Amino acid sequence: DQQVKQNSPSLSVQEGRISILNCDYTNSMFDYFLWYKKYPAEGPTFLISISSIKDKNEDGRFTVFLNKSAKHLSLHIVPSQPGDSAVYFCAASASRTNAGKSTFGDGTTLTVKP
Amino acid sequence: DGGITQSPKYLFRKEGQNVTLSCEQNLNHDAMYWYRQDPGQGLRLIYYSQIVNDFQKGDIAEGYSVSREKKESFPLTVTSAQKNPTAFYLCASSSRTGDRNEQFFGPGTRLTVL
Repeated sequence: DQQVKQNSPSLSVQEGRISILNCDYTNSMFDYFLWYKKYPAEGPTFLISISSIKDKNEDGRFTVFLNKSAKHLSLHIVPSQPGDSAVYFCAASASRTNAGKSTFGDGTTLTVKP
Repeated sequence: DGGITQSPKYLFRKEGQNVTLSCEQNLNHDAMYWYRQDPGQGLRLIYYSQIVNDFQKGDIAEGYSVSREKKESFPLTVTSAQKNPTAFYLCASSSRTGDRNEQFFGPGTRLTVL
């Protein structure tokens, strides 16, 4: 049973437009959520996170929204740039029980077209 | 520069041979992790360690072994018992202090078993 799901394997957007990447989770113990960005043949890099006590966290062009009742989070990138083209992984952690140990989704490949 | 190093970047082995993947970090992180990534899939946790001389199995530990004799090092051995060892292997570390859970990843090792 996959506890973190990214139902869209790929997303293509035009440069300058908004990119919205979605993630759903099933485990109610998750209380900390992270997004990572990964280029081919490299390790993921941390992008942005959100604690379950918040419903929004913003960092520059990146905003993460959390809807706890729906067990859903989304990453918004505005405006999208060609350099944003990468695989984005959603991850969830039950921080109080196992700090740092995260469960990852399968990723969404974002392509930003010039 | 602080970070995580994995060596080698590419590794080829004959079927039936054990192979050890190296992971070193100088971030002074207590926790370290090993993940496996297969094409089109997310990161699956193999083993993790939250403190020296202690480690726990992740979701797919069968056919793998680890050791944590030093804080900086967390080597992974892929044994001949692992049925499908060809994959991209990622090592990560995280701090156990504070509320932030993000993991710092190494560049990965691509293992090909011939």
